[in-house]
Amino acid sequence: EPEVTQTPSHQVTQMGQEVILRCVPISNHLYFYWYRQILGQKVEFLVSFYNNEISEKSEIFDDQFSVERPDGSNFTLKIRSTKLEDSAMYFCASRDSNYGYTFGSGTRLTVV
Amino acid sequence: AQTVTQSQPEMSVQEAETVTLSCTYDTSESDYYLFWYKQPPSRQMILVIRQEAYKQQNATENRFSVNFQKAAKSFSLKISDSQLGDAAMYFCAYSYFGNEKLTFGTGTRLTIIP
Repeated sequence: EPEVTQTPSHQVTQMGQEVILRCVPISNHLYFYWYRQILGQKVEFLVSFYNNEISEKSEIFDDQFSVERPDGSNFTLKIRSTKLEDSAMYFCASRDSNYGYTFGSGTRLTVV
Repeated sequence: AQTVTQSQPEMSVQEAETVTLSCTYDTSESDYYLFWYKQPPSRQMILVIRQEAYKQQNATENRFSVNFQKAAKSFSLKISDSQLGDAAMYFCAYSYFGNEKLTFGTGTRLTIIP
């Protein structure tokens, strides 16, 4: 069964550093997403991406965040200057035209 | 704004018994999708079941079934013959046609008692 692949599975970074979280969506999906989940809390929408541009973003997705699809397969989330409160599980997801969403295994980001 | 409410933070059930997890949602849309996701300790998000609002028939996937009450905006998940591997956090989620994002509830932690 097709999978969404996320790397790395766990990243530790110092406050103020830039991080890039990587995702390979399912190849025939056209809609891509980033969500985050702070430990013990609900899953929160960050951003959606379609046709090489952001289609919607949440209030959380401020100027510190950016997304990119640098080639035909990768989809990345960049956090420019990490803060302690950015520590969370970050999930990439992609969906097909029939609203079938598939999530990756997540990247656990720890900011120290 | 669309909201999803899960009023049971925790539930427990005896192995082999049946348990029902509750979910209500608020929307003014007529064409939408509802989902239940399972999140085990590994924290991966696994789709359990989905329901299209235009379908009157309740979705089923093996031991998992839903009770979709569109007028009441209720979408409960029934797990039959509970197994130890069902222990996880369960999230109800909503999306509507033409919208991109999934909106999640706060989750219900399900414990299976051997």
